Amino acid sequence: NAGVTQTPKFRILKIGQSMTLQCTQDMNHNYMYWYRQDPGMGLKLIYYSVGAGITDKGEVPNGYNVSRSTTEDFPLRLELAAPSQTSVYFCASKGAGNQPQHFGDGTRLSIL
Amino acid sequence: QQPVQSPQAVILREGEDAVINCSSSKALYSVHWYRQKHGEAPVFLMILLKGGEQKGHEKISASFNEKKQQSSLYLTASQLSYSGTYFCGTEIGGTSYGKLTFGQGTILTVHP
Repeated sequence: NAGVTQTPKFRILKIGQSMTLQCTQDMNHNYMYWYRQDPGMGLKLIYYSVGAGITDKGEVPNGYNVSRSTTEDFPLRLELAAPSQTSVYFCASKGAGNQPQHFGDGTRLSIL
Repeated sequence: QQPVQSPQAVILREGEDAVINCSSSKALYSVHWYRQKHGEAPVFLMILLKGGEQKGHEKISASFNEKKQQSSLYLTASQLSYSGTYFCGTEIGGTSYGKLTFGQGTILTVHP
């Protein structure tokens, strides 16, 4: 099992560019999450999904969009990249009930 | 609201013990503990559910005091491999779709 896979691992964007961070899981988990982690800080929830076709905002959703067309995939889109979005982005998934979240390896994004 | 972790950092020699605390101002349903090494994804350690349950995993255990809305992580006879940043993630309510709010982290350094 691959678990949670994120691509790309690293990316540099220019201000105003857009991009999609990919996240896929092979554990048939309904729940998926996107977090950002700024240097020396904890993780902050951007968006989450409880199943295909259902998404909702987390704590810091501004500047981001998500979609969930399948159980496996939960892409995160940045429309107009800003320097404040420089961060490490983690995707996570979990099964039903009191289960732990499983994290991908992260995408390190720099916006210059 | 973000849970508060204490201490912010702790330095140990191999074999010494440490306690990391996580406090919330809100009534909690569960507390999740993760360890993150530099440049890597968070790795799940354990979940504590409301009810004052104490769990253990080898030499790492944790407790959840429902009255104080506080969880404590106990690391005994520390090993070099315990070094990293420890995060607590708190869940409010059993119907919150597994959404976690993470603390700011506690940096643990174990020296030979």
